[in-house]
Formats: sequence, C-alpha cells, structure tokens
Amino acid sequence: AQSVTQLGSHVSVSEGALVLLRCNYSSSVPPYLFWYVQYPNQGLQLLLKYTTGATLVKGINGFEAEFKKSETSFHLTKPSAHMSDAAEYFCAVSLDRGSTLGRLYFGRGTQLTVWP
Amino acid sequence: GAGVSQSPRYKVAKRGQDVALRCDPISGHVSLFWYQQALGQGPEFLTYFQNEAQLDKSGLPSDRFFAERPEGSVSTLKIQRTQQEDSAVYLCASNDGRNTEAFFGQGTRLTVV
Repeated sequence: AQSVTQLGSHVSVSEGALVLLRCNYSSSVPPYLFWYVQYPNQGLQLLLKYTTGATLVKGINGFEAEFKKSETSFHLTKPSAHMSDAAEYFCAVSLDRGSTLGRLYFGRGTQLTVWP
Repeated sequence: GAGVSQSPRYKVAKRGQDVALRCDPISGHVSLFWYQQALGQGPEFLTYFQNEAQLDKSGLPSDRFFAERPEGSVSTLKIQRTQQEDSAVYLCASNDGRNTEAFFGQGTRLTVV
C-alpha cells in the first residue's frame, strides 16, 4: 500500500524565517512526487515536482524540495517566509511513472501560518 | 477555457436528494480526474477518464456515485440519495496527456443537511 505522511498539520513561522514542511512516503517503487498549495476557496496549484534527474527541484515562489530516496522523503523548504505564503500545502505521489499523469495520493496537508 | 471550471461552487442538498456536479476541463485536455476532499483531509481519488473512457473508478465510495464524460470533454459527477458523509469539496483536475501536471478547478463544496 502507498501512503503519504505530512508531519505537522500546522506550522507557524515568522516572516523572513525558514519554512520547512515535511513529507514522507511509503511506496514499493520510487514514485513521482509533488507539492501543491491551496489558498482559501481555491483549487490546488502545483508548486514543484520530482520525476527523474536532479533530486533538488526548484518551484514557484522560491520553494524547493529535495527527494531523498534513502529517507523516503520529499521535504519542502523556503529560505525566507513571506506573508503571502500562508496557505495549505499538500504533498502527493503518483505511482504511474510514465510520461503522463496518473492518480495522485495526497497527504493530509499542512497549514502554514506566517506571523508578521 | 483558461482554466478548469466547476459548477456549482456551492451546493446544499437535503439527505436523500440526488446531485450533479459539473467539470469543464481545459480545452483539449484528454485526462480528467475527480477527487473528494473531506474537511481537514487531503484530496482522495475518485475516478479517472481518458477522453470519454472511464479507465479507473476504483475510488468511488459506493454505487451511489457515478461519473460520466460522454464526449470526452465536460464531465459530470452524480451522487444519488446523498448522505451526510458525502459532505466534502469535490475537485476536478485535467491534464493534457503529455506531461505530469494536473490543473485543478476551484471545487464544488457539497453540504448535505
């Protein structure tokens, strides 16, 4: 069975501080990995993804994530938080390793609060 | 269209009513997914279409849930005899079939009272 675990349902940081959102997955094969952001009353927006190649991937809004196969992790980081980063963040995996998208398995989400 | 459009945005249904939720994917996108997002949870897969073919419906929670995409474009998710546990946000996503990016709609929030 495959699962996605996001440690910490709520994370609070001060503006300018490092953001670290944790994601671990359980899968019999290395999956494709994604981070999505969801603002209130909005759909999910892709932040970044890892499929193959370089294990450190950069996304939009200054976010990046590193795929660590030995740790089965794909933690999301941003060096300096901005007020506009306050949102819910979802880690997701896909077991379909083709050129197109398969079904996604999502974690439960982490609500990020940024204090001024 | 410019993005994935879902309607209605909000739906309140009395227990036992049937509801139909609509998804207009991005024009030309061959893949379409439906997800259910309960309060405080991540989205959970319901079903997947490639063009008009429903290739995976393993996530549909019961036979009260039915989805169709007859012409390979607009899709409708129908829930019969709604129950309180059906209350959730229903998200639709589409993909062009050439890469791994999904574009999500804003969702339909269904409340069953």
